Amino acid sequence: ETGVTQSPTHLIKTRGQQVTLRCSSQSGHNTVSWYQQALGQGPQFIFQYYREEENGRGNFPPRFSGLQFPNYSSELNVNALELDDSALYLCASSPGQPLNEQFFGPGTRLTVL
Amino acid sequence: AQTVTQSQPEMSVQEAETVTLSCTYDTSESDYYLFWYKQPPSRQMILVIRQEAYKQQNATENRFSVNFQKAAKSFSLKISDSQLGDAAMYFCAYRSANTGNQFYFGTGTSLTVIP
Repeated sequence: ETGVTQSPTHLIKTRGQQVTLRCSSQSGHNTVSWYQQALGQGPQFIFQYYREEENGRGNFPPRFSGLQFPNYSSELNVNALELDDSALYLCASSPGQPLNEQFFGPGTRLTVL
Repeated sequence: AQTVTQSQPEMSVQEAETVTLSCTYDTSESDYYLFWYKQPPSRQMILVIRQEAYKQQNATENRFSVNFQKAAKSFSLKISDSQLGDAAMYFCAYRSANTGNQFYFGTGTSLTVIP
């Protein structure tokens, strides 16, 4: 059974650019959540997708958007990058609702210069 | 929004000894779930233990156990017979059973295991 994978591992962008991060959920999982983890902080919930629909959103601006595909993989898009967007972005997949367990990917380290 | 507080940024323990990590949370709800996650230096976060608020019995998973005090809104993690592989960041997390699927995480405790 393949676990949650994320790509790329590391990414460097400049302020104002756009970025797309990708997540492949664990086999059989239909729910994907995205988190932002700033250095020295705990993960902060960005949003969740369940069966291709957004199913909850944290306190992040609209320039953070996402998609979930029919195979339940997911993308996180961030437009107009700001320096404060530098963080580890974690994806977590779950086998369904209600959400009692999440399986995390290794994360994508985004640096905005 | 619910808040989760971990007041110990760093802890250390001798190998084979016992250590307790603290977590408190703030909520007005009565039905929720609490979690401890471990994030080793390789970054992939894994679930250590889960507690349902409606259960009075404290959860245990091998060397890991919790002390869940609902009235005090406290949820500490006890690691017995500490091993070198236990060294990691530990995050406490909360999820409401009724108001959505958002997990709220604390700021973490960095655990060092001394050989």
